[in-house]
Amino acid sequence: DTGVSQDPRHKITKRGQNVTFRCDPISEHNRLYWYRQTLGQGPEFLTYFQNEAQLEKSRLLSDRFSAERPKGSFSTLEIQRTEQGDSAMYLCASSSSRDRGDTEAFFGQGTRLTVV
Amino acid sequence: AQKVTQAQTEISVVEKEDVTLDCVYETRDTTYYLFWYKQPPSGELVFLIRRNSFDEQNEISGRYSWNFQKSTSSFNFTITASQVVDSAVYFCALSDGRDSSYKLIFGSGTRLLVRP
Repeated sequence: DTGVSQDPRHKITKRGQNVTFRCDPISEHNRLYWYRQTLGQGPEFLTYFQNEAQLEKSRLLSDRFSAERPKGSFSTLEIQRTEQGDSAMYLCASSSSRDRGDTEAFFGQGTRLTVV
Repeated sequence: AQKVTQAQTEISVVEKEDVTLDCVYETRDTTYYLFWYKQPPSGELVFLIRRNSFDEQNEISGRYSWNFQKSTSSFNFTITASQVVDSAVYFCALSDGRDSSYKLIFGSGTRLLVRP
């Protein structure tokens, strides 16, 4: 396993279109996170899964955003009716809660979304 | 509320100089975790270190060292004998130990430029 992978790496879309991103976590990790990072800022938490259950969503996650993690493996993040303000880097991370104290998250390379 | 402040937006040093990146955090929790991540131009966040709030011992790993001081709510990161490959954006982050999601609250990052 080479780490967290995200696809696509870059996405350019027209305003109003729907986009979907995929994240494949480290295989033995049961926790999965989505973060959003805008230019010059640190990542901001969007949502969190433990196995297939979505346990927490940030207020940043508007109704146009939806995330899934079927079967507790890969995850998808969909943005409907994209707006220019959605332009950002979307980062996925995974970690394991099975080993007590092993809470560090490992990040993928991100999907850079540009809405034109 | 939890908050991480990285007051240094950008630091420029000449190779072989030592450099310290500052991080100040705010939390009302007694159990928490502090992290440093490196983000090179390729975009992925690379985990560097995690400390828990009960362990104030400073840590050294090669050219990297970390100084955790609860009295001043600081978790500073020093790179000794900096190298060009150290050029990146460095993020300090905080995780609430009572929050079962272990989501990360990031600072805004410090861009380090190491010139040859």
